[in-house]
Amino acid sequence: EVQLVESGGGLVQPGGSLRLSCAASGFTFSSYWMSWVRQAPGKGLEWVANIKQDGSEKYYVDSVKGRFTISRDNAKNSLYLQMNSLRAEDTAVYYCTSGGDYWGQGTLVTVSS
Amino acid sequence: DVVMTQSPLSLPVTLGQPASISCRSSQSLVYSDGNTYLNWFQQRPGQSPRRLIYKVSNRDSGVPDRFSGSGSGTDFTLKISRVEAEDVGVYYCMQGTHWPPFTFGPGTKVDIK
Repeated sequence: EVQLVESGGGLVQPGGSLRLSCAASGFTFSSYWMSWVRQAPGKGLEWVANIKQDGSEKYYVDSVKGRFTISRDNAKNSLYLQMNSLRAEDTAVYYCTSGGDYWGQGTLVTVSS
Repeated sequence: DVVMTQSPLSLPVTLGQPASISCRSSQSLVYSDGNTYLNWFQQRPGQSPRRLIYKVSNRDSGVPDRFSGSGSGTDFTLKISRVEAEDVGVYYCMQGTHWPPFTFGPGTKVDIK
């Protein structure tokens, strides 16, 4: 059974940092581009970042460039999102997805003082 | 960036009746390889998104055949032949041709009359 399990969300003050993790199982993680997609409360879906199978290419939505870093560890079947300089507008549920095929349950990040 | 629009944004439907959602892109989604990377996602209340359709008209595994996708260029449609109670939720189109960024439509909320 395919599983993507996100963790690391929580409440953080503006300007703070968080690191999200996504543990994958049940499919060949190293064969997939992986992405983070977020959803602000009551809003639609927004693609945040993605990373190539070997980690050699990474892309970001403009609003997070320079603040967020996507990475992966294929030996651990894990995807990460390091989020720095967090803003209130980064408040959202963050989903890990394998290019749309599989999705995790999401982890909530709340940026508030 | 490619802008995705959907109509209607709200769609009350009668059980057993058909439903149709339109999605338009601000530029053609035909990629240089000849494919058109237009996906449809369903998000039931309280759940993660789930892909229903990829490359305009290909149903994902396990998706009921009452769901169908069609279209070309900039105009696309998701049809539900006979709406069932489990189809309630928000439906998003997403383009994967001109990225980064991948872009989603605003979503169409389907509920039962």
